[in-house]
Amino acid sequence: EIVLTQSPDFQSVTPKEKVTITCRASQSIGSSLHWYQQKPDQSPKLLIKYASQSISGVPSRFSGSGSGTDFTLTINSLEAEDAATYYCHQSSSLNTFGQGTKLEIK
Amino acid sequence: QVQLQESGPGLVKPSETLSLTCAVSGYSISSGYYWGWIRQPPGKGLEWIGSIYHSGTTYYNPSLKSRVTISVDKSKNQFSLKLSSVTAADSAVYYCARRGGFGDYVFDYWGQGTLVTVSS
Repeated sequence: EIVLTQSPDFQSVTPKEKVTITCRASQSIGSSLHWYQQKPDQSPKLLIKYASQSISGVPSRFSGSGSGTDFTLTINSLEAEDAATYYCHQSSSLNTFGQGTKLEIK
Repeated sequence: QVQLQESGPGLVKPSETLSLTCAVSGYSISSGYYWGWIRQPPGKGLEWIGSIYHSGTTYYNPSLKSRVTISVDKSKNQFSLKLSSVTAADSAVYYCARRGGFGDYVFDYWGQGTLVTVSS
């Protein structure tokens, strides 16, 4: 089973700040890494697919990078509505998710 | 617009079988794609349970495989989850979701989720 480890688990940030969340895979997964945003009491929402591909309707301040085992989700100029938990997901071998990173807006 | 809606009992007794159904609208399951189940224990992260293709081909999480059965009913445009011998650890919000097409293996449409509690 491929294990995904996210860091940090929790981050408290101020609006307009730049945020970086990382996801490390236990073995190489190429670019088969995707990012989701989950707000309280809502279903997860797809943000980025295949490490860096944007999704229609998702604000351009969200971007992704990486390949192999190390991946990054970047949120530029954070907005209050970005308060959520963010999950990475690999589809290279079956499916696994990272443990999540909770983002709090100060 | 693709929509998914989970349904089933919200309370299941320990050692019994959890059964949920996901009704799909706005898209015919027979047309393709994989359809999956994902769960989230209260306050915890996401865990993939398994996925099924319209042909009936299934893939399961190895940690749950011995207890999971996912099936599809194309006539009703829905798919179902059965999880046997449940314990309190199986208490979670259960989501159904669509996995994208060939080469697009993301969960792009999700149901709203249904909370299942395992308790006597």
